[in-house]
Amino acid sequence: DAKTTQPTSMDCAEGRAANLPCNHSTISGNEYVYWYRQIHSQGPQYIIHGLKNNETNEMASLIITEDRKSSTLILPHATLRDTAVYYCIVRVAISGSARQLTFGSGTQLTVLP
Amino acid sequence: EPEVTQTPSHQVTQMGQEVILRCVPISNHLYFYWYRQILGQKVEFLVSFYNNEISEKSEIFDDQFSVERPDGSNFTLKIRSTKLEDSAMYFCASSARAGANVLTFGAGSRLTVL
Repeated sequence: DAKTTQPTSMDCAEGRAANLPCNHSTISGNEYVYWYRQIHSQGPQYIIHGLKNNETNEMASLIITEDRKSSTLILPHATLRDTAVYYCIVRVAISGSARQLTFGSGTQLTVLP
Repeated sequence: EPEVTQTPSHQVTQMGQEVILRCVPISNHLYFYWYRQILGQKVEFLVSFYNNEISEKSEIFDDQFSVERPDGSNFTLKIRSTKLEDSAMYFCASSARAGANVLTFGAGSRLTVL
């Protein structure tokens, strides 16, 4: 799995967009970018994933650069409930396999009132 | 929305005792996992399970740990003889056939070993 680099912490004002960056310069062509988050003391929660096209769902948008060496998770209108640690994980998707997902240190996002 | 259910939410045990943590994965999921998180540390992978056998396990998952899917709905983690350092939050997760990296996690079971 490609190594990822994320800022340790970020703040965002409530109601504003939160943009969380992730660098993955060694990503290979068949590796996806996954985002999870962990609200304090809860289980990690899947947010979104993508290969090379930008993706959007009800939770967030994922913007992947054309060279795929970095990506940004966007929470369009952050709320206090979005305060969490956000993890960027890069890995291949292999159906028929139950391989481990490795969580790094992530980015602590604090949404301020 | 379907969810992964874990019991108990909190268990306190004496060192050396056996503990069983239980999980009910999402019903149509085929892949099952246990992770743990020691207070203030990263989420760590323990074991994954597919097609009634262990797919992968970490160094943490030694002979003191075992997993079982005793029936069509439950997935259990057993710690045979608990140590102080086993105190942690244990998370069960499951995933469906396609996109095996999209896991749904339970709320966790907090284990405190005294």
